[in-house]
Amino acid sequence: EVQLVESGGGLVQPGGSLRLSCATSGFTFTNNWMTWVRQAPGRGLEWVANIKEDGSERYYVDSVKGRFTISRDNAKKALYLQMNSLRAEDTALYYCASPYCSGGGCSRIPGYWGQGTLVTVSS
Amino acid sequence: SYELTQPPSVSVSPGQAARITCSGDALPKKYGYWYQQKSGQAPVLIIYEDNKRPSGIPERFSGSSSGTMATLTISGAQVEDEADYYCYSTDSSGNQFVFGTGTKFTVL
Repeated sequence: EVQLVESGGGLVQPGGSLRLSCATSGFTFTNNWMTWVRQAPGRGLEWVANIKEDGSERYYVDSVKGRFTISRDNAKKALYLQMNSLRAEDTALYYCASPYCSGGGCSRIPGYWGQGTLVTVSS
Repeated sequence: SYELTQPPSVSVSPGQAARITCSGDALPKKYGYWYQQKSGQAPVLIIYEDNKRPSGIPERFSGSSSGTMATLTISGAQVEDEADYYCYSTDSSGNQFVFGTGTKFTVL
């Protein structure tokens, strides 16, 4: 069974930093792209970033480029999101997601999700 | 930045068919995906690669794509289908992903 458990959220002041973590199990972490998605309170889903199996490719939504860094530790089967220069508009529930896999292989599309960790940016 | 546009809300009576659309310029060349999100829960993938259903997803959910429009169809809507629905795809580069604006689906 795929399990994704996010941690590291909390209350932070504008301009501050947080590091989110996602502990994974139940699938071959080292063979899969991983994704962060966020959802502001009462708002829609927003794709934040994803990272290739070996970390050689990373992509970000424009609004976080230069402030957020996605990374992974394949030995620990863990995904991270370093968030710097946080703004009020970064307040959201942050989900870690692993790919959907079918008979044709695994894609970059989120198929399994954690329950999220809440980040609140406020003074 | 790339955008996928959905109607804010769709409502039907139980047993009726419902269609939720998703418009995006790259959809003629990129697959569309659909997620269902019930209140307080994580999203669930219900359609992948335009029209395929993951195992465990009821047959009343189907997807299609034509030109710049992807469509989710719910045949015979049930009360338990009430949720927010989001389409998902990439821009023309294939590296920038985006969710649609979301549709609140109500079964009255």
